Amino acid sequence: DAKTTQPTSMDCAEGRAANLPCNHSTISGNEYVYWYRQIHSQGPQYIIHGLKNNETNEMASLIITEDRKSSTLILPHATLRDTAVYYCIVRPYSGNTGKLIFGQGTTLQVKP
Amino acid sequence: EAGVAQSPRYKIIEKRQSVAFWCNPISGHATLYWYQQILGQGPKLLIQFQNNGVVDDSQLPKDRFSAERLKGVDSTLKIQPAKLEDSAVYLCASSSLAGGVDTQYFGPGTRLTVL
Repeated sequence: DAKTTQPTSMDCAEGRAANLPCNHSTISGNEYVYWYRQIHSQGPQYIIHGLKNNETNEMASLIITEDRKSSTLILPHATLRDTAVYYCIVRPYSGNTGKLIFGQGTTLQVKP
Repeated sequence: EAGVAQSPRYKIIEKRQSVAFWCNPISGHATLYWYQQILGQGPKLLIQFQNNGVVDDSQLPKDRFSAERLKGVDSTLKIQPAKLEDSAVYLCASSSLAGGVDTQYFGPGTRLTVL
């Protein structure tokens, strides 16, 4: 079972920041938070990941609370092309590759 | 860099028939995954290969599903015989531990409809 809880759906106005929350209250010390998104009729796409520090890349920013029990993915200037299902996933990093356990995700609808 | 390739993109078969899907991972990626995504749900891992060896096939219905990874590169997933509940998108992903970070890259998927 997925170890995260996300809202089922969210709306965002085009050009505004989209803030997607994720609860992972049972996260372990060796587990990372990963975010993927899936645009309609495409495979999931990696966005960002983090352990305890906030992270930023060209796609998004990831804010992780100090107790690591929740996080927020921020798309700073949402566009219509950001409409997708966003998945928050926790998984251990042991130096080995391993499966991703997807939950239901949050369907983000960016509106003009 | 070329992405993960899958074929066919769409397949329609009748129940009890057999079907095969093909995946070509990103060059140099040692790990290959097959996921099943039923409509309205997140993807679920079926099988994971490390080079040409199986790492995890605990969720693979082995009475009807089989998979192989030839020479540690391309992979095929087969269903024989298919059931109605096998209707889903079958996603292939590959990854490598570049810089100590494991990022999975997904192909576009094969949409299977079983009638």
